Amino acid sequence: QITLKESGPTLVKPTQTLTLTCTFSGFSLSTSGVGVGWIRQPPGKALEWLALIYWDDDKRYSPSLKSRLTITKDTSKNQVVLTMTNMDPVDTATYFCARFTYYYYATDVWGQGTTVTVSS
Amino acid sequence: EIVLTQSPGTLSLSPGERVTLSCRASQSVSASYLAWYQQKPGQAPRLLIYGASSRATGIPDRFSGSGSGTDFTLTISRLEPEDFAVYYCQQYGSSPYTFGQGTKLEIK
Repeated sequence: QITLKESGPTLVKPTQTLTLTCTFSGFSLSTSGVGVGWIRQPPGKALEWLALIYWDDDKRYSPSLKSRLTITKDTSKNQVVLTMTNMDPVDTATYFCARFTYYYYATDVWGQGTTVTVSS
Repeated sequence: EIVLTQSPGTLSLSPGERVTLSCRASQSVSASYLAWYQQKPGQAPRLLIYGASSRATGIPDRFSGSGSGTDFTLTISRLEPEDFAVYYCQQYGSSPYTFGQGTKLEIK
């Protein structure tokens, strides 16, 4: 069974750095064709793709957020970490991590999401 | 960046009806890289269709996808009560891997 779970703070202050961890099981991020990405969803709004890291450590970022995002992986711990600097109230959202595979060329398994509020 | 535009924004329909949702891309997307997701309130999205027309594991055959180039559609042949949700398309053809803004299906 493949699962992913997001963890991190539920509340951050403006200008702070957000660090989210995705811990997964049931697959390996060292397997060719696999990636783990982050997607967010502000309350009542649409999904927004943020970043993706592939098995070979190739990384992709949303251009509008690229200067603020860093995605890394720890294959031995089955974790992917997303950091977002200079948080603003508009970054308030539910943040999802999810698995990508070349088999589907889609995001086939999602975490439950974690809600992050940015407020002073 | 490829912009995906979904239409309509909201549809009010009754169970049993047939519905077609549209996803239009600002530039051509290989059909292999177009997916559809369903999201219910308080839940994570669920993969429905990948490669524009292939159903993901466990997805009922009332869901079908089609299209190529810049125009893609998701069809639900006969709406069940559990199908009322928000539907998103996403492309993995070119980074950033953008989503459409979603179509909400609501019960009439």
